[in-house]
Amino acid sequence: AQSVTQLGSHVSVSEGALVLLRCNYSSSVPPYLFWYVQYPNQGLQLLLKYTTGATLVKGINGFEAEFKKSETSFHLTKPSAHMSDAAEYFCAVRKSGYSTLTFGKGTMLLVSP
Amino acid sequence: KAGVTQTPRYLIKTRGQQVTLSCSPISGHRSVSWYQQTPGQGLQFLFEYFSETQRNKGNFPGRFSGRQFSNSRSEMNVSTLELGDSALYLCASGPQAGDHEQYFGPGTRLTVT
Repeated sequence: AQSVTQLGSHVSVSEGALVLLRCNYSSSVPPYLFWYVQYPNQGLQLLLKYTTGATLVKGINGFEAEFKKSETSFHLTKPSAHMSDAAEYFCAVRKSGYSTLTFGKGTMLLVSP
Repeated sequence: KAGVTQTPRYLIKTRGQQVTLSCSPISGHRSVSWYQQTPGQGLQFLFEYFSETQRNKGNFPGRFSGRQFSNSRSEMNVSTLELGDSALYLCASGPQAGDHEQYFGPGTRLTVT
């Protein structure tokens, strides 16, 4: 079975500060990993994904994540937070060959001026 | 291309009633998945349909059912509603089943009173 753990239900940063959202996964097979963002009253938007190849993945809006197999981690980072980044972020894992996503509980990112 | 459409966006029902939610995938997409999002349980997979066949099912009671039509539109039905069924129901579509990116709709917010 696969599972995802996101450390911290809420993360607060100041505008311009580094954003770091943590995600650890458990999977018996090589996983496909995803980060999604959800703004209030909206669905999920894909930020970035890791399937195979380069372990540092760049996504939209300046976000990136690094797949570290030895640490079973896929942390999301952004060098400089913007007010518009305030939203809930979900890490997800999927098995190769399947469409079903297993999500973490989510991390709410709060950005203060 | 238009995105994933879910109707209605908001719904209020009474305990014991039944409800049907609709999802229209992106044009040309044949795979549709449903997820339930609640504050307590987070995002949980309900079912996946591809070419009118249920391909995968999550761990939900039999009161939750779904179907897919020949035009790939999908409906999910919840019978004998309980207060705990109050949630945001998200639909995601993909071009094929398996290893393909899924695109999420805005969701249907169901409130059971």
